[in-house]
Amino acid sequence: QVQLVESGGGVVQPGRSLRLSCAASGFTFSFYGMHWVRQAPGKGLEWVAVIWYDGSDKYHADSVKGRFTISRDNSKNTTFLQMNSLRVEDTAVYYCAREQRFCSGSSCYHYFDYWGQGTLVTVSS
Amino acid sequence: EMVMTQSPATLSVSPGERATLSCRASQSQNSNLAWYQQKPGQAPRLLIYGASTRATGIPARFSGSGSGTEFTLTISSLQSEDFAVYYCQQYNNWPPVWTFGQGTKVEIK
Repeated sequence: QVQLVESGGGVVQPGRSLRLSCAASGFTFSFYGMHWVRQAPGKGLEWVAVIWYDGSDKYHADSVKGRFTISRDNSKNTTFLQMNSLRVEDTAVYYCAREQRFCSGSSCYHYFDYWGQGTLVTVSS
Repeated sequence: EMVMTQSPATLSVSPGERATLSCRASQSQNSNLAWYQQKPGQAPRLLIYGASTRATGIPARFSGSGSGTEFTLTISSLQSEDFAVYYCQQYNNWPPVWTFGQGTKVEIK
């Protein structure tokens, strides 16, 4: 069965760095785009970043651009999120999610079919 | 910038009743819309993709409709396990951005 397991969260001071990992199993990891989505305490979901199945391209939300970097190691079935210059407002549960693409006729749909359980990042002095 | 607006913010419904949740997109992306359910302390779960296709294992009481900028999630007869927060999500082709609505909480009346 598909499993995504995040790790690396914790408490960190503003301005410091943290690296999250997401270990995947139960599917051919190198076939899928992978994402990070976060959720601040009591708030909604916010998309953070995506990396293409082969690592050839990546995109980040404006709120984290220049500070966070998504990467992956297909030999280890793992996705990473390097978070630098952390701010108090980055405090959230960070989920990794698998992107599914379904095409019907001329339309292709992009959505998240599997999610990890999340890892909490708290930025506080 | 794509903005997804869900309404209402909170919906109070009695078990067995019908619930209708709305999601409006600021830009049309055809039917590139998904719905997720999230219960407290849990990760989101995919319910609907392509605006109207149920994901694997999702009960038939969940249905999605709409296209363009107006979408609806309907739960035909609410069960106790359906009380949760529901999010819509749309994908924008360029630049690639995935945008969520702010969520609708379905609570017991």
